Amino acid sequence: DAMVIQNPRYQVTQFGKPVTLSCSQTLNHNVMYWYQQKSSQAPKLLFHYYDKDFNNEADTPDNFQSRRPNTSFCFLDIRSPGLGDAAMYLCATSRDMGGMKTQYFGPGTRLLVL
Amino acid sequence: AQSVTQLDSQVPVFEEAPVELRCNYSSSVSVYLFWYVQYPNQGLQLLLKYLSGSTLVKGINGFEAEFNKSQTSFHLRKPSVHISDTAEYFCAVSYTGTASKLTFGTGTRLQVTL
Repeated sequence: DAMVIQNPRYQVTQFGKPVTLSCSQTLNHNVMYWYQQKSSQAPKLLFHYYDKDFNNEADTPDNFQSRRPNTSFCFLDIRSPGLGDAAMYLCATSRDMGGMKTQYFGPGTRLLVL
Repeated sequence: AQSVTQLDSQVPVFEEAPVELRCNYSSSVSVYLFWYVQYPNQGLQLLLKYLSGSTLVKGINGFEAEFNKSQTSFHLRKPSVHISDTAEYFCAVSYTGTASKLTFGTGTRLQVTL
């Protein structure tokens, strides 16, 4: 089945130690998104890639970066995680941009910062 | 700017009872509306969506929602819930335009008990 895969499902890191979260997709969608979801809150969009074009949300901290080496893979890099970055990180994809385009989500990676 | 309000943070209900989860949106332009479900430690799964046409939309797992433009609402309903419906439900809105992104509500926790 075509799907969005996130690895690892759980990630523990230390305060200030860089961490990378991974997302891959077999849907061949050209748009990939990263969301941050804190406990009991709505998902918050951090950034997205439209093909190779990177689009950062205005309020996304500089501590968060992303890479998309090819259509299938997208990475979220947190350069110096703080305690406040502990959250579920969701990757999603869609075929093209536009309000009517459905986003397909991966299972998420839960990040714990010690 | 568009926004989504889910007034009920938690909805407890007995198994086999009907349920309605409320969602109201605000937008000055035409909208697209979505309901997603999130099971514990999982990503978001699309339940149903309204893009245009019939205002009554049927989705997976027996859920349906009705788009009411005059009341700016998109309430989710199920005539008889099951224990397995226990999850977090998110309403989301986007609008026409290639730059549109999803705006999520804060979610409603549906708790089904025997």
